[in-house]
Amino acid sequence: GAVVSQHPSWVICKSGTSVKIECRSLDFQATTMFWYRQFPKQSLMLMATSNEGSKATYEQGVEKDKFLINHASLTLSTLTVTSAHPEDSSFYICSATQGTSGGAQYFGPGTRLTVL
Amino acid sequence: GIQVEQSPPDLILQEGANSTLRCNFSDSVNNLQWFHQNPWGQLINLFYIPSGTKQNGRLSATTVATERYSLLYISSSQTTDSGVYFCAVVGNTPLVFGKGTRLSVIA
Repeated sequence: GAVVSQHPSWVICKSGTSVKIECRSLDFQATTMFWYRQFPKQSLMLMATSNEGSKATYEQGVEKDKFLINHASLTLSTLTVTSAHPEDSSFYICSATQGTSGGAQYFGPGTRLTVL
Repeated sequence: GIQVEQSPPDLILQEGANSTLRCNFSDSVNNLQWFHQNPWGQLINLFYIPSGTKQNGRLSATTVATERYSLLYISSSQTTDSGVYFCAVVGNTPLVFGKGTRLSVIA
């Protein structure tokens, strides 16, 4: 149980285009979903926390107009990277928790974004 | 915010050896998780262990919350154990990750 999927697993796009990444909890309802970013050989950095039906909470330094997060249902959250640039190239990982914010988090397989 | 320090940063083991990875944290936590990130980037849940001791096969973990540390034990290591091991904690902020321990198990 507690499976989280992400789609796509990798994407290559041209500079200036927008890319949408989906995160789904497959066998549980996720009250809270999180989006992380990971650069090569570095740790995961939290970008934002999203609760179903409300606006996402962004971490300091993360541009909310650039990284649009929608959590429309208890099983789906999306991250849209708008007007992507090469510096946005990274590994994006989502996670979901079904209980309280202190409960166990389950991670998706990640999406590798390359912006040319 | 809460600080998470992992040691050692890098570890090379001969197959069959045992190892202990350490995670220190700077404040009280409500949640502590250990993850293994495989070469493809997937984070695999190993333990949800805010306190106490748990075992799963060749892996076990102990968290001493009052002393603000957790240990991950790997016994009889295998080449498939290679990857990065992360400790992550929840205090009064969302999950904060340490920098990880990069483990290489050689045959």
